[in-house]
Amino acid sequence: GAGVSQSPSNKVTEKGKDVELRCDPISGHTALYWYRQSLGQGLEFLIYFQGNSAPDKSGLPSDRFSAERTGGSVSTLTIQRTQQEDSAVYLCASSLAVLDRANYGYTFGSGTRLTVV
Amino acid sequence: RKEVEQDPGPFNVPEGATVAFNCTYSNSASQSFFWYRQDCRKEPKLLMSVYSSGNEDGRFTAQLNRASQYISLLIRDSKLSDSATYLCVVNMGGGSQGNLIFGKGTKLSVKP
Repeated sequence: GAGVSQSPSNKVTEKGKDVELRCDPISGHTALYWYRQSLGQGLEFLIYFQGNSAPDKSGLPSDRFSAERTGGSVSTLTIQRTQQEDSAVYLCASSLAVLDRANYGYTFGSGTRLTVV
Repeated sequence: RKEVEQDPGPFNVPEGATVAFNCTYSNSASQSFFWYRQDCRKEPKLLMSVYSSGNEDGRFTAQLNRASQYISLLIRDSKLSDSATYLCVVNMGGGSQGNLIFGKGTKLSVKP
């Protein structure tokens, strides 16, 4: 697609429920990144993919968070047993390849605003 | 020392003013630097890369000081449309390694 596409744009869920967030990167971009931004806070790195592999999962805040990517394209971020502190905007970004992030930065999607009530 | 640190502001300036933001980073091996702009409730968008020799894009000038590990962004002749949060971004590894780390941003408000 022309840009990074994320869905849903907004999600309200009850505490304890599982949620899935989807990211469709720019066509041809092999690297994909997940960040989250809590209200008034900076962007927090979660995980990145090169192709279908996730070399760096260091940013995932707990084992309730997982992500996968299939076919080198769409990625899903899953949060199990959601807690109120999971409320944030979850942003996905992509770049042509991992090496390109150093030269060209990222292109972000418009994010999924998650509210856990 | 925080990895990427910025003055949160807000900077409230009149139209036409010149305003400068600074950002410091902790990893002396960092090689890539960027300024992103984020409008309220929108995603961050790349404003400009920061090169060692300094670079300019219209009213925007970015500077890098490796010795002091800081980056600056200068905006001349501020417009109302420049109102946004400006994020300093650094890759925390040497060369092309390491993730891009975002500062918390400096909020700019340009008033008529």
